[in-house]
Amino acid sequence: DAGVIQSPRHEVTEMGQEVTLRCKPISGHNSLFWYRQTMMRGLELLIYFNNNVPIDDSGMPEDRFSAKMPNASFSTLKIQPSEPRDSAVYFCASSFIDSGNYGYTFGSGTRLTVV
Amino acid sequence: QQQVKQSPQSLIVQKGGISIINCAYENTAFDYFPWYQQFPGKGPALLIAIRPDVSEKKEGRFTISFNKSAKQFSLHIMDSQPGDSATYFCAALSSGGGADGLTFGKGTHLIIQP
Repeated sequence: DAGVIQSPRHEVTEMGQEVTLRCKPISGHNSLFWYRQTMMRGLELLIYFNNNVPIDDSGMPEDRFSAKMPNASFSTLKIQPSEPRDSAVYFCASSFIDSGNYGYTFGSGTRLTVV
Repeated sequence: QQQVKQSPQSLIVQKGGISIINCAYENTAFDYFPWYQQFPGKGPALLIAIRPDVSEKKEGRFTISFNKSAKQFSLHIMDSQPGDSATYFCAALSSGGGADGLTFGKGTHLIIQP
């Protein structure tokens, strides 16, 4: 298995532009998580899906952020409009949540820079 | 509210020494406590995890010690090697009611000096 695949690896965009981050989870995993990592705040959970259904989006910072999971093999995180304070590394992780198994597999992340 | 507090922020250990990273949690509903290791440019990777029904778990050179009454747990890396230099995150999760998102500590930047 290729693991969790995120694209792009790096994204530089101007303030006000729309940014879309993509994630392909591991086949067979039933849960998907989006995290944001910054030096100041560490790893923050933004939203997670279980069986393609959003379960908790309380970590999404503002209405400018939205996430979708149209099927079991694809998810997007969209920021519109983007702002400099959105600059961070965004990670997608997937897991097969069953009784007692909560190990997450993370992708390599997307480093977003908003100028 | 920071639900998982991790210390120290950074740690320098000599090769062959013992690295110790500590975490404390507040939410008594947490019942799964993993440690993740992250190298530069990579995502965090699961290292070892423990449930509160045991006080210690060992995998190779890595050991988790868990103190339920104190709501604390720690990672011990024995015979630390330069290849262990990375950022380590503790985390916690409440499994009750179905899957929940992991809450992470702020991380410890570990450097093992040759």
